[in-house]
Amino acid sequence: GAVVSQHPSRVICKSGTSVKIECRSLDFQATTMFWYRQFPKQSLMLMATSNEGSKATYEQGVEKDKFLINHASLTLSTLTVTSAHPEDSSFYICSARWPDSYNEQFFGPGTRLTVL
Amino acid sequence: GQNIDQPTEMTATEGAIVQINCTYQTSGFNGLFWYQQHAGEAPTFLSYNVLDGLEEKGRFSSFLSRSKGYSYLLLKELQMKDSASYLCAVLNSNYQLIWGAGTKLIIKP
Repeated sequence: GAVVSQHPSRVICKSGTSVKIECRSLDFQATTMFWYRQFPKQSLMLMATSNEGSKATYEQGVEKDKFLINHASLTLSTLTVTSAHPEDSSFYICSARWPDSYNEQFFGPGTRLTVL
Repeated sequence: GQNIDQPTEMTATEGAIVQINCTYQTSGFNGLFWYQQHAGEAPTFLSYNVLDGLEEKGRFSSFLSRSKGYSYLLLKELQMKDSASYLCAVLNSNYQLIWGAGTKLIIKP
């Protein structure tokens, strides 16, 4: 099956620093990738849709300048949490859409971000 | 608005059967997914329904009624490893996945 990786799996940082999370589709090219955030005991919340070669589409309430998304190639999307604060601590999950499909997404293993 | 409802928590006994219900109201419908999620891990795909009826896959089955905005996930012959959260998600008209909060399933010996 299709594999999506995320790096790092866990990161702890100080308040005010920036953190970059990578999402890679290892064995397929993904024009579209999605970034989700999940707080404990809550649902996955779609943050943004990342399209290769164009600007990401952010969901309502998600700050574009705080959560920078770059989808520079067909196999890599990055999410940068700028000036992180403790309330940004969460589980961040990416997924990649299978080519020419609208209903197949493959999820990365997630990144646990803790901001001190 | 868009809304997906499922029970917060359910308890069942090893070897038994459990049904997890999901009701949804979304802007358009392009299919309903069930995912399993263990704590601290990403969701893993279980099933996809786009037409009414029952889809069976081993110990797991999923049912959909589009007219009622309703689905259920049926787990048979429960095993301890089935203890996890089960997430219902609907693909809306924009092909975005809208997620329920998940049902935590506790399996007791």
